[in-house]
Amino acid sequence: QKEVEQNSGPLSVPEGAIASLNCTYSDRGSQSFFWYRQYSGKSPELIMSIYSNGDKEDGRFTAQLNKASQYVSLLIRDSQPSDSATYLCAVRPRGAQKLVFGQGTRLTINP
Amino acid sequence: SQTIHQWPATLVQPVGSPLSLECTVEGTSNPNLYWYRQAAGRGLQLLFYSVGIGQISSEVPQNLSASRPQDRQFILSSKKLLLSDSGFYLCAWGDIPSGANVLTFGAGSRLTVL
Repeated sequence: QKEVEQNSGPLSVPEGAIASLNCTYSDRGSQSFFWYRQYSGKSPELIMSIYSNGDKEDGRFTAQLNKASQYVSLLIRDSQPSDSATYLCAVRPRGAQKLVFGQGTRLTINP
Repeated sequence: SQTIHQWPATLVQPVGSPLSLECTVEGTSNPNLYWYRQAAGRGLQLLFYSVGIGQISSEVPQNLSASRPQDRQFILSSKKLLLSDSGFYLCAWGDIPSGANVLTFGAGSRLTVL
C-alpha cells in the first residue's frame, strides 16, 4: 500500500462547477496534511494546509480531513479554467521530518 | 521574506557524465532542506533531506548523493548519470521544526540524460 494515494485522473469538470479531489494515507498517526497545485512545467505551490479534523475554508478552496478514515479532500468551488493543473496531496507521517506526496490528480476545467 | 534559488534551470547531459545541482535559501536560518525528483507525469519522490549542516538522510538507493556544506546550501550530485536519472529535480526548504511543516519549492531543474 502506498503511503499517500490519489486518483491520477484526469478529472474533467465544467467551469463554474465544484471540483472534488481525494487523497488517502496509510500512517494513522500522520499529523499534517497539505494540498499543492502544480501547473505544467512549474514547481508545486501550497494552496491549503489542514491539521485537525473537519473543514478548513480559504476563498474558493475547502480542505476536509477525516483522520478516522485516513482521508483528506479538496473542494474547489466555482471552478475556473485557471484551476486546471495537477493537485498534489502531501502528508507528514508521525515523527517524520519530511512530507510524502501522492502521485497527483490532473484536473481540467472546461469552459 | 524567504526565497529559494535553484540552478541550473535546464540541462542536457550524456550518460556517464557527472551532475551537480545547487540550491540556496535566503531569509531563514537552519532550515530543513529537501531534494525531490519528479519523473514525467508522476508524483514527487523524496531523494534526500537534511536537518542541519553535514546531516544527510537518503530515502532511495541510487547513484545520486547530496551534501550540505553550509547552513543554507544544498547540493545534489552524481558521478555518472544514468538514463533513468532524467526528470524534474526540485529543492525545497521546510519549517518543520517550527511545527508548521510547510515546504516551499524552488523553480526546479529539468535534467535530460541522453
